[in-house]
Amino acid sequence: DTEVTQTPKHLVMGMTNKKSLKCEQHMGHRAMYWYKQKAKKPPELMFVYSYEKLSINESVPSRFSPECPNSSLLNLHLHALQPEDSALYLCASSQTSGMGDTQYFGPGTRLTVL
Amino acid sequence: AQKITQTQPGMFVQEKEAVTLDCTYDTSDQSYGLFWYKQPSSGEMIFLIYQGSYDEQNATEGRYSLNFQKARKSANLVISASQLGDSAMYFCAMTSLENSGYSTLTFGKGTMLLVSP
Repeated sequence: DTEVTQTPKHLVMGMTNKKSLKCEQHMGHRAMYWYKQKAKKPPELMFVYSYEKLSINESVPSRFSPECPNSSLLNLHLHALQPEDSALYLCASSQTSGMGDTQYFGPGTRLTVL
Repeated sequence: AQKITQTQPGMFVQEKEAVTLDCTYDTSDQSYGLFWYKQPSSGEMIFLIYQGSYDEQNATEGRYSLNFQKARKSANLVISASQLGDSAMYFCAMTSLENSGYSTLTFGKGTMLLVSP
């Protein structure tokens, strides 16, 4: 089973709202990732968690706040977003963050910021 | 820095025919991984196939095979017997350990494949 789940599927929020995206995997993977993908572009890495510790933050604005409460769960807290933050947000997980470890992606959350 | 180049923005193929999607890469690393993902219009990134830089045999997974030519730094995806459900965006990607020793994926810009009946 290589399933990564993400909720919600779609989210519309105003610039003053606070919302959270959720990602879950039960494959025993110890690395989890957040990506942002704009239309017709490849995914861009935002954050990497390895063994529940934030390992990489790709200079993401502080209005995006990741959290890894346990090894199966990854959240992305959103606050005071801008319309240009509208995108598909993809979560992924892999066995570890090793070179040959395949990243398995969830279905994504389509975020619209009004 | 790592770079992945996919020179075909779009490809058309008829059902049941084979198609090759091109991918070239640039890296100074000796050890790296190459991946292909499929992304239908629904948005989910689906893992297709993996090739390690030290693997001597080309990877195969069902109808997918990876034509790995290390000296040319190419990792083309071959889909045999195309099906209508193969219509999607295809991304070539590679891993690197540049980022503080944690492996991260660098993606190409993608190739949109359309399969016609």
